[in-house]
Order: sequence, then C-alpha cells, then structure tokens
Amino acid sequence: DAGITQSPRYKITETGRQVTLMCHQTWSHSYMFWYRQDLGHGLRLIYYSAAADITDKGEVPDGYVVSRSKTENFPLTLESATRSQTSVYFCASSTIPYNEQFFGPGTRLTVL
Amino acid sequence: AQKVTQAQTEISVVEKEDVTLDCVYETRDTTYYLFWYKQPPSGELVFLIRRNSFDEQNEISGRYSWNFQKSTSSFNFTITASQVVDSAVYFCALSDLIGSSNTGKLIFGQGTTLQVKP
Repeated sequence: DAGITQSPRYKITETGRQVTLMCHQTWSHSYMFWYRQDLGHGLRLIYYSAAADITDKGEVPDGYVVSRSKTENFPLTLESATRSQTSVYFCASSTIPYNEQFFGPGTRLTVL
Repeated sequence: AQKVTQAQTEISVVEKEDVTLDCVYETRDTTYYLFWYKQPPSGELVFLIRRNSFDEQNEISGRYSWNFQKSTSSFNFTITASQVVDSAVYFCALSDLIGSSNTGKLIFGQGTTLQVKP
C-alpha cells in the first residue's frame, strides 16, 4: 500500500533488550523523521534524515540509533531499552523541508 | 532557541460552541513555518495547515480558521460550531531555517486536548 507504515504497531519488551522499530514509505520522500510522544511533552524529535546515508540527531537522541541505507526505510533501534523509553513512536516523511510531514500510524512501545 | 507553547492543556465545550486553541511560538529566525496537526482518539496525526512567516493573512477552511499574528508571535486556531468529531488532541508546531538546519524538523507544542460534549 502506498504511504508510510510502521511496524510493529505494538511492542512490549524488557529492560536491556535491543528493539528495532521499522518505518517504510513508498513516496521516495527525501526527508524522514522519528519522533516520540509523551504526555506533557507533545512530540519530540529523536533523529532525522535528509537522504539515504545522511542522518543527524534531534532533541532526544540518547539511547537510540538510526540508519538509512535505502531512501524508503528508516529504522530506529533502541540499543538497550530502558523504562524511560516507554512511549509512542512516530515516523514521518516529507518531500522537501518545511512541507507538510506525513506521519505513520505510530508504534506503542512498553519497556518493562 | 525555538519553542512552542500551548498553554491550554485541556478544553471542554458543548457541541455548537466556538472554541479557540492558543499557540505562542518563539524563534529568532525571520523565515519560519507554522503548522497545526490533529490527533483524534485513533492516534494518527492529521495535517491541518501550514503557514509561512511572510503570509499573515488569516485562513478559513470550513469551520476551521487560523489567526496568525507576528506581533504577538501567535498562531491561534478557532473551530466554529464545534462538533463531537472535533474531539482530539491538537498540536501546534514550528519549523525555522536556522533551528532546523534547513531540514524542516518540527518543534511541537505540548498539545491541547479538546473534548466536545454532545
């Protein structure tokens, strides 16, 4: 299906485990973003990417790693999950800077 | 530094009432973009509007209207004759040239939860 998808939609894991959240878009958008949503904080940027093999840190990058070997995929990895990383994670993409960002459906991650 | 403040955490209205959601932003840049997104109970984020800093014209789209005032650094959103389907969390967001390093990354406000009661 065309659009932006995230998997899994729900994930429960334990402290210390590595977790990878997947993001896939079919539009060939250059720009992709990972945000986390927490009550009282709105959405905060974790990492972003301007193109394949170009990534950079956002506001809250600690504990996360990203890669972008292909334009359409932008996985987010929690190297050693902590309870504070319990959150809803949104992936987004846009054609060019400052255009509308299209958001995926989100992944609800719980770290026990 | 860039910042977006939505001081209203929760608003509750009765259907058909008008409601205004406030958004105040901070940026040192002269070129920037402001956005509103809606997050209904189903959880997805729905784009509502984008406005650049050089266009201060107010905009109306059906029951929705936006008032952009650079003098007060505000970009307020009004829903006229609210409906139960308007119940959602609404986010205001900012993207500026310098702060975003020309990538368009968004700085979000904390969100305002709007409940429209029948």
